[in-house]
Amino acid sequence: QLVLTQSPSASASLGASVKLTCTLSSGHSSYAIAWHQQQPEKGPRYLMKLNSDGSHSKGDGIPDRFSGSSSGAERYLTISSLQSEDEADYYCQTWGTGIAVFGGGTKLTVL
Amino acid sequence: EVQLVESGGGVVRPGGSLRLSCAASGFTFDDYGMSWVRQAPGKGLEWVSGINWNGGSTGYADSVKGRFTISRDNAKNSLYLQMNSLRAEDTALYHCARVTTAMVTGGVDYWGQGTLVTVSS
Repeated sequence: QLVLTQSPSASASLGASVKLTCTLSSGHSSYAIAWHQQQPEKGPRYLMKLNSDGSHSKGDGIPDRFSGSSSGAERYLTISSLQSEDEADYYCQTWGTGIAVFGGGTKLTVL
Repeated sequence: EVQLVESGGGVVRPGGSLRLSCAASGFTFDDYGMSWVRQAPGKGLEWVSGINWNGGSTGYADSVKGRFTISRDNAKNSLYLQMNSLRAEDTALYHCARVTTAMVTGGVDYWGQGTLVTVSS
């Protein structure tokens, strides 16, 4: 079964860096994912598509502070030089034949 | 500029029906697969359904299979979701989303703002 697992919460200080993790279920470690950001009271926003080899392509206007990487079944989103507007929910998403799934989301608090 | 604008949400009684629409602009609509994604109040994102570029293939989450039907009209640059036998647990903000491929599913790269569906007696 295709499942994505995310930690419910994370926190980091203003100006620091944070690395969020999304884990693919067993047998699906080669799958690409997408990262999405949802700021409070706003709709989701596409950040990037991240492949199993760590290559990624970002959405329009996404700052260089956002980057992605991969290791085995883990997919990471790193945000550097944290700003207050980065406080948001972050969701990973993957897909297979005829199905797509989202992780439960990570709520990022910027201290 | 890619734009996805949903409409058709509202309040409906359990067991009732509703048809959502999504008007797309700013891109060649029939080059892309499309999806519906919902978010219940205070909850995370849930993929609901997807359709390939020409409407010939579709996919559904188990939670809506047999009750919801996705369709598209490429001549009108529009996506639809027919929702029947609605339940309280279908209450959510429904987003129209473009995927990065022409297939039924793929990474979402553009989102609409959503239309709210409330199922309540």
